Amino acid sequence: DVKVTQSSRYLVKRTGEKVFLECVQDMDHENMFWYRQDPGLGLRLIYFSYDVKMKEKGDIPEGYSVSREKKERFSLILESASTNQTSMYLCASWSGLGNTIYFGEGSWLTVV
Amino acid sequence: GQQVMQIPQYQHVQEGEDFTTYCNSSTTLSNIQWYKQRPGGHPVFLIQLVKSGEVKKQKRLTFQFGEAKKNSSLHITATQTTDVGTYFCAGRPPMDSNYQLIWGAGTKLIIKP
Repeated sequence: DVKVTQSSRYLVKRTGEKVFLECVQDMDHENMFWYRQDPGLGLRLIYFSYDVKMKEKGDIPEGYSVSREKKERFSLILESASTNQTSMYLCASWSGLGNTIYFGEGSWLTVV
Repeated sequence: GQQVMQIPQYQHVQEGEDFTTYCNSSTTLSNIQWYKQRPGGHPVFLIQLVKSGEVKKQKRLTFQFGEAKKNSSLHITATQTTDVGTYFCAGRPPMDSNYQLIWGAGTKLIIKP
């Protein structure tokens, strides 16, 4: 059974804090993604990675960075959290064209 | 830029009524995928459509891909409470080498008591 695991389900952080969201997949997929989901806006791509140490900006990369040091792990970093980054963050993993994308359970981040 | 418009944003139905959500792309798509997200959950893959004019069925769910491969629909017959959730379409532009799916904003299905 495929698995995408996000380390934190619910987090509350203060403005200006550095935040790490971790994602691990056990399917040996090359491609991993970070999305944020906000009501009425659907899924918006923040960053994606198609190989270890490779990353590309998605639609809304500002205020975020990512790290892919190992194939199975893709981390999203908020260098200095702000209240407008309060959202639900979804990690996803994918083996390639024509195949299904698998999502993690989501991480609900509140920045106060 | 490329967009996939999904309508309606919300749909309230009585249990037993039908439900339909539509996606329209600004560009021709190579394929389109549909996902369901239950309240508090994460998106789960339902189906992928690839061919022009393709129609696929999963029990009470019917998925269609338009002849021009720019629009798609999901129709649920006789909704049940287990159908509650948000339905997303995600389209892949042809010749796209950056692996990105373009997501619709989702349609939330609400069953009226």
